[in-house]
Parts: sequence; C-alpha cells; structure tokens
Amino acid sequence: DVKVTQSSRYLVKRTGEKVFLECVQDMDHENMFWYRQDPGLGLRLIYFSYDVKMKEKGDIPEGYSVSREKKERFSLILESASTNQTSMYLCASVNGGVVYQGFFGQGTRLTVV
Amino acid sequence: GQNIDQPTEMTATEGAIVQINCTYQTSGFNGLFWYQQHAGEAPTFLSYNVLDGLEEKGRFSSFLSRSKGYSYLLLKELQMKDSASYLCAVRDKDGGATNKLIFGTGTLLAVQP
Repeated sequence: DVKVTQSSRYLVKRTGEKVFLECVQDMDHENMFWYRQDPGLGLRLIYFSYDVKMKEKGDIPEGYSVSREKKERFSLILESASTNQTSMYLCASVNGGVVYQGFFGQGTRLTVV
Repeated sequence: GQNIDQPTEMTATEGAIVQINCTYQTSGFNGLFWYQQHAGEAPTFLSYNVLDGLEEKGRFSSFLSRSKGYSYLLLKELQMKDSASYLCAVRDKDGGATNKLIFGTGTLLAVQP
C-alpha cells in the first residue's frame, strides 16, 4: 500500500512562529502537492513539486514556501504564522506514468493562536 | 482561468443509485480524479479518467466527456457508509511538464435509510 505520512496530526503554534509541516511518501512518486482545506472553500492548492528541487506555485502561495530536497519528502513552511493560516493541511502524492493514482496523507490540523 | 463545478449537497436513499456531476473549465486537461472524503478524514482515491467513456469499478463508475468538459460519478446500491463528500479534481496541464491538480469544492452526499 502507498503510504503518505504527515509529521503531525494536530499542531498549535503562536502568531509569528516559523512552522514546518513535513510530508513523506514511500512509492517513489514524482508529483507532490500541498493543499489547505477550509469549510465552504474546498481544497486549495498552495504549492506543488514535480521533481526534486522543483516547485511551482499553486493558487494561494502567499505566506508559504516549500522545500523538496529528496524525492520522498515535501515540506511546507509557514514563514511567520498568522491566525488566517489556521486550517487543515493536506499533502498529496501522485505517480507519473500511464495510470495515475493520487494519495493523501492523513492531514495536519494547524491552529495558530 | 480554471473552474470546477459540483453540486454542493445531494441526498439519496439506501439501495438507490446516485449520479454526482462535475463540470470543468481549465487551461489544459490531462485527466480527472474522483475522491471520497469522510468527515474528519483525508480524501481517498476512487477513480481516474483521461479518455472519454465509462470506467467501472464495483459499485462505483466514473464517466468523462472531454469535449463537454463534463464528468460524473455513479454510485450504485447505495450504503449508509457512502455518506461522504465526493471531490472532483482535474489535472490541469499548465504548459510544459508540470501538472496542477485542482479540486472542486466537493459534493456532500447524505444517504438516508
């Protein structure tokens, strides 16, 4: 079974803190994505990566950055956490090739106080 | 621009059939995913369509018409455990080799006895 693992299930951070959310997949997938999910807004794409050290902005990249130093790991960084970044954060991993499947991690519920 | 539309909510009866529609407008198209998400959980992969037609997988089927920018998810023999949100997502080929995975806001399906 494909495993996508996010480092924390629940996280509480203070305003202004630098926050790291880690995501690791074990299936050698090329494509990895970070989303946030808010009620009524669905999943919104923050950043994605299609290869090591490659990154592309999604629809709402402001206030976030990412890092992909190794193929299996994609990190989301909140440079200076703010209360409007309180959300559920979901990491997804999608294989390349002919038949596509996409898998999500269990999600990180981040609260910024 | 990109736009993915799904009905917000649907209700159906246990044992019945329900069809959840998704229409999309994206700058490019490289496939469409359907996901199921139970409350408080991460989305789980249901299907992927890249060619026109119907893909059947047990009680779930997914249909795609690229010319119409339209897909549907068909759920047969509904069970109470099928109560969940159903998310439509499009791989938007945003030029080059990169593929954004863009989600609709999801359809909340309630299955009633």
